[in-house]
Amino acid sequence: EDQVTQSPEALRLQEGESSSLNCSYTVSGLRGLFWYRQDPGKGPEFLFTLYSAGEEKEKERLKATLTKKESFLHITAPKPEDSATYLCAVQADGSARQLTFGSGTQLTVLP
Amino acid sequence: EAGVAQSPRYKIIEKRQSVAFWCNPISGHATLYWYQQILGQGPKLLIQFQNNGVVDDSQLPKDRFSAERLKGVDSTLKIQPAKLEDSAVYLCASSHGSEQYFGPGTRLTVT
Repeated sequence: EDQVTQSPEALRLQEGESSSLNCSYTVSGLRGLFWYRQDPGKGPEFLFTLYSAGEEKEKERLKATLTKKESFLHITAPKPEDSATYLCAVQADGSARQLTFGSGTQLTVLP
Repeated sequence: EAGVAQSPRYKIIEKRQSVAFWCNPISGHATLYWYQQILGQGPKLLIQFQNNGVVDDSQLPKDRFSAERLKGVDSTLKIQPAKLEDSAVYLCASSHGSEQYFGPGTRLTVT
């Protein structure tokens, strides 16, 4: 059974204080690892897809990296508007492209 | 490009009542998903459609939940009768490739 574990559950940062969120996964074969952002009262918003170990993707202050066992979402010099829950999900080889999600990391960036 | 539309946004019902949710996916997206998201958790897949056929409904509680996607476009998810533990956000997503795009969700409260 595919499993995704995210840590920490919650993270509070001062504006400008860089940090990383972790996503550990267990999957029979990885087709893709996905990062989403979810604001309160809204659906998840797609951020990145990573397909193979060593791959990196960047968007503004966010950078996602992937190893064979985990992914990191690095947040550089965050701003209050980066406050949200960040969800990680895996898609397994041979699956019909279903996503298995972790429980998310709730990030709060204080001004 | 219009996103995934869902209605209603909020619904409050009493246990044992029935409720239905509607989803209109992004134009041209053949695959449609319904997820249940309980507070503090990541989304959990309930059912996946490819055009108007069911790909996976293994996690759908079929004694009370049903879903259909007539004509391969819009979809409805129904719960009858509702239980207290059905209180959650019901998210609809659609995809053309690997990335799934989510609607805003319907927040269901069962009292």
